[in-house]
Amino acid sequence: EDKVVQSPLSLVVHEGDTVTLNCSYEVTNFRSLLWYKQEKKAPTFLFMLTSSGIEKKSGRLSSILDKKELFSILNITATQTGDSAVYLCVGPDGTSGTYKYIFGTGTRLKVLA
Amino acid sequence: DAGITQSPRHKVTETGTPVTLRCHQTENHRYMYWYRQDPGHGLRLIHYSYGVKDTDKGEVSDGYSVSRSKTEDFLLTLESATSSQTSVYFCATVLEGSSYEQYFGPGTRLTVT
Repeated sequence: EDKVVQSPLSLVVHEGDTVTLNCSYEVTNFRSLLWYKQEKKAPTFLFMLTSSGIEKKSGRLSSILDKKELFSILNITATQTGDSAVYLCVGPDGTSGTYKYIFGTGTRLKVLA
Repeated sequence: DAGITQSPRHKVTETGTPVTLRCHQTENHRYMYWYRQDPGHGLRLIHYSYGVKDTDKGEVSDGYSVSRSKTEDFLLTLESATSSQTSVYFCATVLEGSSYEQYFGPGTRLTVT
């Protein structure tokens, strides 16, 4: 059965700290892994990862994929209160013609001023 | 935001009443999805559609039905609402052949009393 597992479930840090969020996955016909940020509204897209070892960066956020270990991490450096959100890891089922998504339960990050 | 709207945005209803949620998109996407989001469970797929009149069940489809008579509209119906269906419901689409990025609607908060 396909599954995506995120850890930790929740995290509280202070502004300026660096955090690492983890995602392990088992997805049929793996093709890519997606990261989303969800504040008190709909999820918004952060990254898509398809290749091992290639870091994707956007400002203070970065992410990398390890296809051998079936693992991805999302790093946030110099955290700010605006980073407080739930971060979702998603594995699309890559079976041809299928567009089904397996969501992790998310990591709830709270950044204190 | 891929032009996705959901209606209503908030609804309170009584146990046993039928409820229909509407998702409308303006981008002519073939795939549309209904998810529910509950604390501790992340986003779970209820039903999805891969074209007009073409739908399939997700992991939590019991108690829900869907219809798609037009490309732009995907309706989710709770035939007889129960308190366990109190949740936030998100509609989503995906641009076929793209990066697998899903676009989410703003969500509908449903409370069944």
